[in-house]
Amino acid sequence: DAGITQSPRHKVTETGTPVTLRCHQTENHRYMYWYRQDPGHGLRLIHYSYGVKDTDKGEVSDGYSVSRSKTEDFLLTLESATSSQTSVYFCATSRQGVGTYEQYFGPGTRLTVT
Amino acid sequence: TQLLEQSPQFLSIQEGENLTVYCNSSSVFSSLQWYRQEPGEGPVLLVTVVTGGEVKKLKRLTFQFGDARKDSSLHITAAQPGDTGLYLCAGPRGAGNNRKLIWGLGTSLAVNP
Repeated sequence: DAGITQSPRHKVTETGTPVTLRCHQTENHRYMYWYRQDPGHGLRLIHYSYGVKDTDKGEVSDGYSVSRSKTEDFLLTLESATSSQTSVYFCATSRQGVGTYEQYFGPGTRLTVT
Repeated sequence: TQLLEQSPQFLSIQEGENLTVYCNSSSVFSSLQWYRQEPGEGPVLLVTVVTGGEVKKLKRLTFQFGDARKDSSLHITAAQPGDTGLYLCAGPRGAGNNRKLIWGLGTSLAVNP
């Protein structure tokens, strides 16, 4: 268990408003990821980070931005929320080093955009 | 493009039955991972298989990696309601990929008392 928390756990927001989701980890893992999970689409990677201040886009990054100023925190921002961004968002981490890339997940944030 | 296809998509069985779910690809993977996700929670890693032909057991769950490392299966013996959940397989996208994974869509398992 990587000790990953996400906040908030639930959020309802209106179209056009900015939203920031927070992921916090206590395991000093180098890699962090943001996914969204939707029925029929599975887990899709939004953005990821391979170190402090080092981030890159995933497969569904449009409308999202991220920041990582500390090893333990990875923020996901929806600049102007849209109804298509209603989803469950998961943060995950992975440790550095030779291995098989296992990922450890937070409990998720359920976001509803009305 | 690497893809992981899982089957069946849904499975509903009675307590005590045995079942097998599959994770298939046309590509070779250096390893495959299995996760279980319970409703309202994040996926939790169950096992990683690395060597072609490898079999790993976790209590009543048996995981096998295909000889060619293109597929994997999960067999559950005497399923219990606590086994209910979404079973996901995942594998690394390839070397130098910042540890990104390719994910299957999952098998949703319901074990009825």
